[in-house]
Amino acid sequence: EVQLLESGGGLVQPGGSLRLSCAASGFTFSGYAMSWVRQAPGKGLEWVSAIGGSDGRTYYADSLRGRFTISRDNSKNTVYLQMNSLGAEDTAIYYCATDGPSRKLDFEHWGQGTLVTVSS
Amino acid sequence: QSALTQPASVSGSPGQSITISCTGTSSDVGGYDYVSWYQQFPGKAPKLMIYDVSNRPSGVSSRFSGSKSGNTASLTISGLQAEDEADYYCSFTSSDTRVVFGGGTKLTVL
Repeated sequence: EVQLLESGGGLVQPGGSLRLSCAASGFTFSGYAMSWVRQAPGKGLEWVSAIGGSDGRTYYADSLRGRFTISRDNSKNTVYLQMNSLGAEDTAIYYCATDGPSRKLDFEHWGQGTLVTVSS
Repeated sequence: QSALTQPASVSGSPGQSITISCTGTSSDVGGYDYVSWYQQFPGKAPKLMIYDVSNRPSGVSSRFSGSKSGNTASLTISGLQAEDEADYYCSFTSSDTRVVFGGGTKLTVL
């Protein structure tokens, strides 16, 4: 059974940083691209970033303006999201998700999400 | 890349069929078949329902189907059931590996 467990969320002040982690199990982690998708309270889904499985190529939403960095450690079956210069607009539930059957970032498996709140 | 356009809400009675549209442009939805659909219940993570416009992942009910015409993709739910009441999102993956979601549609089963 595929399991994704996010951690690292919490309350952070504006301008601060946070590192999210997503521990994966139940599948061949290195064989799949992984993504982060966020959802602001009461709002829709927003794709944040993705990283290739074996090649580690990274992709980002243009709206992030270079503030976030995605990485992965295939030896630990974990994907990370380093978030810097956080603002109120980054307040959201952050989900990690696996690539799906099409291997074109159709997100087949999702974690339960971790809440990031940016507030003073 | 602009968000895809979905109706804010749709409704239907049990047993009926409903369709949720997802409108893009000829540069995204109209030009490629990388459209997915997700179902999300309040407080829960989304669930993949359709990928590549019309394919269902294993375990998804055959009452859910996807299609595309021109720049608009559609999700159809037939034999509507109370348990289908949820939010539905479409997404598109571009050739440069970026994903855009639609704004979401709230489905109400009357």
